[in-house]
Amino acid sequence: DQQVKQNSPSLSVQEGRISILNCDYTNSMFDYFLWYKKYPAEGPTFLISISSIKDKNEDGRFTVFLNKSAKHLSLHIVPSQPGDSAVYFCAANPRAQKLVFGQGTRLTINP
Amino acid sequence: EAQVTQNPRYLITVTGKKLTVTCSQNMNHEYMSWYRQDPGLGLRQIYYSMNVEVTDKGDVPEGYKVSRKEKRNFPLILESPSPNQTSLYFCASSLAGATDTQYFGPGTRLTVL
Repeated sequence: DQQVKQNSPSLSVQEGRISILNCDYTNSMFDYFLWYKKYPAEGPTFLISISSIKDKNEDGRFTVFLNKSAKHLSLHIVPSQPGDSAVYFCAANPRAQKLVFGQGTRLTINP
Repeated sequence: EAQVTQNPRYLITVTGKKLTVTCSQNMNHEYMSWYRQDPGLGLRQIYYSMNVEVTDKGDVPEGYKVSRKEKRNFPLILESPSPNQTSLYFCASSLAGATDTQYFGPGTRLTVL
């Protein structure tokens, strides 16, 4: 049973526009969320995180929004750049030192 | 250079032949973890370790063993590999825990025939 879901396997966005990646979770006890980015033939790299006590966290072009009532988080990338083309994974911390990831969304930025 | 290394990077083996994938980090991190990546399933946690001699199961521990005898090393052991363990494996480490920034190794692509 997938506790963290990324329902869009892929997303295509024009360079310079906003990219919005979505993630839903099932457990209201999740209290910390992270986004990781993965290029082909490399390991994932950390992008941005948010605690459940916040509803927004921003880092440069990247902003994560958390809607606890809807059990939904989203990652906004503005403006999108070709180097942002990658697979993006959202992850949640259910308890202790575990981490649960979504299936990933492949983002393609078109010139 | 701060990094997580995994060996081997690629491995093709046969059912039942024991194998070990090594993982080492040079950042003095307390936390280490193993994940497998499969199409349509994303990353799934196999095992994690908070410190030397302290390990715990992730979501998919069946068929795997780990050990943490030294802080820097966290090998993944498949005692009797089966074809359903064909996957891309990642080792990761962080300073203090799962919600801390995890640094991932480059991955090990394992094929079990």
